[in-house]
Amino acid sequence: AQSVTQLDSHVSVSEGTPVLLRCNYSSSYSPSLFWYVQHPNKGLQLLLKYTSAATLVKGINGFEAEFKKSETSFHLTKPSAHMSDAAEYFCVVSANPNNFNKFYFGSGTKLNVKP
Amino acid sequence: DAGITQSPRHKVTETGTPVTLRCHQTENHRYMYWYRQDPGHGLRLIHYSYGVKDTDKGEVSDGYSVSRSKTEDFLLTLESATSSQTSVYFCAISEQLNSYEQYFGPGTRLTVT
Repeated sequence: AQSVTQLDSHVSVSEGTPVLLRCNYSSSYSPSLFWYVQHPNKGLQLLLKYTSAATLVKGINGFEAEFKKSETSFHLTKPSAHMSDAAEYFCVVSANPNNFNKFYFGSGTKLNVKP
Repeated sequence: DAGITQSPRHKVTETGTPVTLRCHQTENHRYMYWYRQDPGHGLRLIHYSYGVKDTDKGEVSDGYSVSRSKTEDFLLTLESATSSQTSVYFCAISEQLNSYEQYFGPGTRLTVT
């Protein structure tokens, strides 16, 4: 079975401080993992993806995530938060049973950035 | 941005009425998906399509049907809308089987009163 747990529903940081959004996954298959961002009243935009290559993945806007198989984690980080990072972030695991690329979404983490 | 549009963007309807949401893509991608987004649940898959006239159920398909008569269009129908179907609906596309990304449309906010 596949599932994703985002450990924090809300995270609040000050502008210029580091961001850590936590994600744990469970998968019966070798997973692909993604982080998507959703700004208010917008669709979802891909931030970064892990597909069994390098375990440290760099994405857009200075975000990165590290795949840790032993910890079944894929936490999202950014060294310095910007006001424009305020949004909701979704961790997604993709499993490929029966040759269908199915996505499983976490429940989301809302990031608030304080001036 | 991937060429995905959804219509309508907002709709208010009454319980018991039929509703059809449209997803249109200009990318010629084979796979198309309908999700619903509800607070605390992330996105949940309703139905998906792996080709023209080829569709299958997702995890929350009850009360929904879909059709895909052309590569570019994927329709989601609520035969008789209920208040529990009040949600934001997202369409997504992906290029091929081993293309892992899905690209999302802007969403349709549906309110059933």
